[in-house]
Amino acid sequence: DTGVSQNPRHKITKRGQNVTFRCDPISEHNRLYWYRQTLGQGPEFLTYFQNEAQLEKSRLLSDRFSAERPKGSFSTLEIQRTEQGDSAMYLCASSAQAGGSGYTFGSGTRLTVV
Amino acid sequence: RKEVEQDPGPFNVPEGATVAFNCTYSNSASQSFFWYRQDCRKEPKLLMSVYSSGNEDGRFTAQLNRASQYISLLIRDSKLSDSATYLCVGSSTSGTYKYIFGTGTRLKVLA
Repeated sequence: DTGVSQNPRHKITKRGQNVTFRCDPISEHNRLYWYRQTLGQGPEFLTYFQNEAQLEKSRLLSDRFSAERPKGSFSTLEIQRTEQGDSAMYLCASSAQAGGSGYTFGSGTRLTVV
Repeated sequence: RKEVEQDPGPFNVPEGATVAFNCTYSNSASQSFFWYRQDCRKEPKLLMSVYSSGNEDGRFTAQLNRASQYISLLIRDSKLSDSATYLCVGSSTSGTYKYIFGTGTRLKVLA
């Protein structure tokens, strides 16, 4: 399968715990995006990487959130001290250099904070 | 005001009907537009790009009106399998090509 892969698919955690999600983009795509989606809303942009460089971060990404893409391949999104408001679907997407041809999304990680 | 706005619906239509969704965007400098389809609890999937000249893919027709800053999607001969949420998407103008999503329009096609 050469699509975008995200792990885990589901994560239930207690409030205050740290969680980390992983995204493996399509191998030839150098652009990687993280989005968050809550019920009844469209995906909201969190952050963007071109290769290993994090080029843009949304104001939605508080200090408790950090993302990395150490070798320009897979990426991780970590949430520290989770809050109930962090419960959402976290979507990763990748695209080729051209950018204007649409993203390919992974199947997402659904986070539930209890 | 949201950058991309859609009527959330739901639109309930009988099988075989024609249904149209509109979407407005606020950033006149946006370059790229798309429609994505999202099934319940699944990831969004690219349905089609949207061009000023209009484009058609089978039963689906998308149109971009830059003067009025709206995008449309027309679905002809609706199938039960078309039931989903349709997300309108515009690109940012910051050069990162991040996409701005609308809240989505829910469509339910009834037998």
